Amino acid sequence: ELVMTQSPATLSVSPGERATLSCRASQSVGSNLAWYQQKPGQAPRLLIYGASTRASGIPARFSGSGSGTEFTLTISSLQSEDFGVYHCQQYNDWPTFGHGTKVEVK
Amino acid sequence: QVQLVQSGAEVKKPGSSVKVSCKASADTFSSYAINWVRQAPGQGLEWMGRIIPVLGLKNYAQTLQGRVTLTADTSTRTAYMELTSLTSEDTAVYYCAPRTGYNSGYFALWGRGTLVTVSS
Repeated sequence: ELVMTQSPATLSVSPGERATLSCRASQSVGSNLAWYQQKPGQAPRLLIYGASTRASGIPARFSGSGSGTEFTLTISSLQSEDFGVYHCQQYNDWPTFGHGTKVEVK
Repeated sequence: QVQLVQSGAEVKKPGSSVKVSCKASADTFSSYAINWVRQAPGQGLEWMGRIIPVLGLKNYAQTLQGRVTLTADTSTRTAYMELTSLTSEDTAVYYCAPRTGYNSGYFALWGRGTLVTVSS
């Protein structure tokens, strides 16, 4: 099974600051990588697919990069509505997810 | 945009079974692959399997093989996930996540989730 590892587990960021989240795959997944945002009591919301393509309606401050085994989600200037948990998911094989990175207010 | 309505929260005893439903609004239900994903409290997301209703094709996560059964009724546009031999570790929110295309992929659509609590 493809294992996805996210780091850090928790990221403390002040509003307006840049946030950088990492996701590593146990073997290459090419560009078959998605990112989701999840808030308490809600279903995940797709942000990025194909490692770097923003989903419909996602603000430009969200960007994804990487390929193979190393991926990054960057939020250029954190807004209050961006706090929550972020999950990465590979779909090069049957889907597997990372354990998430919680972005909290510093 | 497809609207999804999942069944309500359930409380189950250890050793019992649960069946969760996911009803889609769109006539294109039959062209979707209905995936199921669960999330235990404070934990990450776990893909459970998927069914392609029009083909009757099913794929299951190895970790749940033998305990999970996915079915679908195209006449009512409803997909079902049944999980047997429940333990406390099955306490989770269960989501349906349909996607077009029959290969593995990402999930742009999600149901609102169904909380299943396993407790004696």
